[in-house]
Amino acid sequence: EVQLVQSGAEVKKPGESLKISCKGSGYSFTDYWIVWVRQMPGKGLEWMGIIYPGDSDTRYSPSFEGQVTISADKSITTAYLQWGSLKAADTAIYYCARKSSSWYGWFDPWGQGTLVTVTS
Amino acid sequence: QSVLTQPPSVSGAPGQRVTISCTGSSSNIGAGYDVHWYHQLPGTAPKLLIYDNNNRPSGVPDRFSGSKSGTSASLAITGLQAEDEADYYCQSYDSSLSGSVFGTGTKVTVL
Repeated sequence: EVQLVQSGAEVKKPGESLKISCKGSGYSFTDYWIVWVRQMPGKGLEWMGIIYPGDSDTRYSPSFEGQVTISADKSITTAYLQWGSLKAADTAIYYCARKSSSWYGWFDPWGQGTLVTVTS
Repeated sequence: QSVLTQPPSVSGAPGQRVTISCTGSSSNIGAGYDVHWYHQLPGTAPKLLIYDNNNRPSGVPDRFSGSKSGTSASLAITGLQAEDEADYYCQSYDSSLSGSVFGTGTKVTVL
C-alpha cells in the first residue's frame, strides 16, 4: 500500500525554526514528486512547492519562495518542509502528497497532515 | 492565491443531482491542462475523487463524474447522499505560475 505518514502536531513561538517530515512507503520513493500543500484555518488548499527525491530538484510557488525550504532524504524515504523563523501567519495544517507520474497530474495519496500552531 | 474559481457552496436534497463549476483561464484549464478533483471530509486530509477530467480512481462510486470544456470544468454528483457532505476542490496546472493551482473550494451540503 502506498502511504505517506507525516510527523506530529507542533506548537511553536514566533521566530522559532521548525522542520516537519513526510515519510513515504510502499513505492519507489525516488520516482515520484512529492508536493506540499498549506491549509490555513477554515481556508482552502494552497500549493506550496514540489520536490523530486531522486535528484532533489525543487520548485516553489511564487507565494512561498524564500519563506520555506523543501528537502528530501532518499536514504530514509522522507521529505521535509522547514521554516527558519516562524510567524503567527504560518499557523496551518500542512499536507504532503505524491504527484502522479504526469508533470501536470494529480496528487494521490495524501499524508494525514501536520498541524503547526505558532503562538506567543 | 487561487486562480481557479468555484462557488462557495452548493446544496441539494438526498437523491438529487448537484454540480460544482471550476472556472479558470487561458493559462490553466483553457491551455488544455487536465483538471483533477478532491473531496475533503471534515477533519481529514483531501482525497482524490476524479483525475484527468473524467476518470475515477478505484473505489470512487460512479455517482461522481467530471467534465471539461474551454476554460472551465465541472464535477457532478448524482444521487446525493448524506456522506457526500464535504468540501470539494479542483486542481490544474498553470503555465504562468509554473506550478499547480487549486480551486477556491466548494462546500456541499445535503439538506
